[in-house]
Parts: sequence; C-alpha cells; structure tokens
Amino acid sequence: NAGVTQTPKFRILKIGQSMTLQCAQDMNHNYMYWYRQDPGMGLKLIYYSVGAGITDKGEVPNGYNVSRSTTEDFPLRLELAAPSQTSVYFCASSLGTDNSPLHFGNGTRLTVT
Amino acid sequence: GQSLEQPSEVTAVEGAIVQINCTYQTSGFYGLSWYQQHDGGAPTFLSYNALDGLEETGRFSSFLSRSDSYGYLLLQELQMKDSASYFCAVSNDYKLSFGAGTTVTVRA
Repeated sequence: NAGVTQTPKFRILKIGQSMTLQCAQDMNHNYMYWYRQDPGMGLKLIYYSVGAGITDKGEVPNGYNVSRSTTEDFPLRLELAAPSQTSVYFCASSLGTDNSPLHFGNGTRLTVT
Repeated sequence: GQSLEQPSEVTAVEGAIVQINCTYQTSGFYGLSWYQQHDGGAPTFLSYNALDGLEETGRFSSFLSRSDSYGYLLLQELQMKDSASYFCAVSNDYKLSFGAGTTVTVRA
C-alpha cells in the first residue's frame, strides 16, 4: 500500500511559469485535500474534493486550480507562479467521516524565483 | 471562520511531561485532532476527540472541553524522538483547520 503519493518532491519555477503538482492515493478514499505550509506555520487548505467530479475552495484558493476526474487522482495546477506561492504543498486523503484521520503525502517543496 | 491558538515552543528534558494547550474559535465544530510533524516530514495523525474528556493512547493523551473551546495534548515519558511540531486542528464539515503548531524540543 503506497498511501498518498506526491510528485515531484522538489521544484523550482520562474515567475509566470505554470506547473501541476500530482497527487494519487490507493486507499479508495473519497475525500482529498491540498494544503500549503509556509515555514514555521500551520497548514492552510487550498482546495478539497469530496469525490470524483466535485471540488471546492478552501481558505487560500487564489492562484490555484484543481480537478478530480478519478477517485485516485487530485492534481493541483499553478497557472502563473508567483513568489508568494513558494511553500511546501501537502496532499491528503481521508474516508471523510469526522473521526477519520487525514493521510498525508510526503509533500512537494516549491520555490518560485 | 476558524482560529486556533497554541504555544509556539516548548522545551523539556527526557522523561518529563509536556502539556500543549489549544484554544479554538469556530463557526461549527465536530472534533479536535492532533497531528505530529517531524522536521522535513509529513504530518501524521495522533488523536481525535469529539466528546469531552480524556483519550489515552500509549504515552500520549488528548483532552477536550467543548464548553471551554479548549483542548490539550499530553506527552508523557518524553523521548528524544518526540522532538517535533504538534498541531491541533478543528474539524468542521469534513475539513480540517490547523493551528500554527507547537515545536517541542526534548533535551537529554
């Protein structure tokens, strides 16, 4: 069982470039999330999905887009990278009940210069 | 919206007991979770409280008082491997909102 797999692990972007952060889970979880974590800070929710074809905004969605065409995959798209998007991005999944824990991927460290 | 307050840092010696407090304000509340994150790693789940009282899981315990919008994580018999950041998080409509985290440093 791989759990939640994120790629790439590291990436450096120039301002204005675009990229997609990949996330896949093999636990058949309906709920998936994207968080960002800035140094010394907690995690901020960017987008989440409660099932294939359904996505919704979190606390900090500006500058990002998501899609959920399958249960397994939940990619995060950055269209016009900005220095403010330099962060560590974590994808997570859960069964979706309130007492079910989030399972996190190992993160993608993104630097925008 | 949600806001969570927890201390930024705690330092203790091996074998000691540490209590990390968390107070929260939220428009809807289902439960309080705790996550551990080692430096450079991913957060991992520690505990969840939906009802008032104490939940014990080995050396770690978590407490919740819904009427006080307050909870804490108790780390007992501290070990060096417990050096990490600990985050409280409130669940509201299947989404988790996290506090800024408490960095626990365990000294020999």
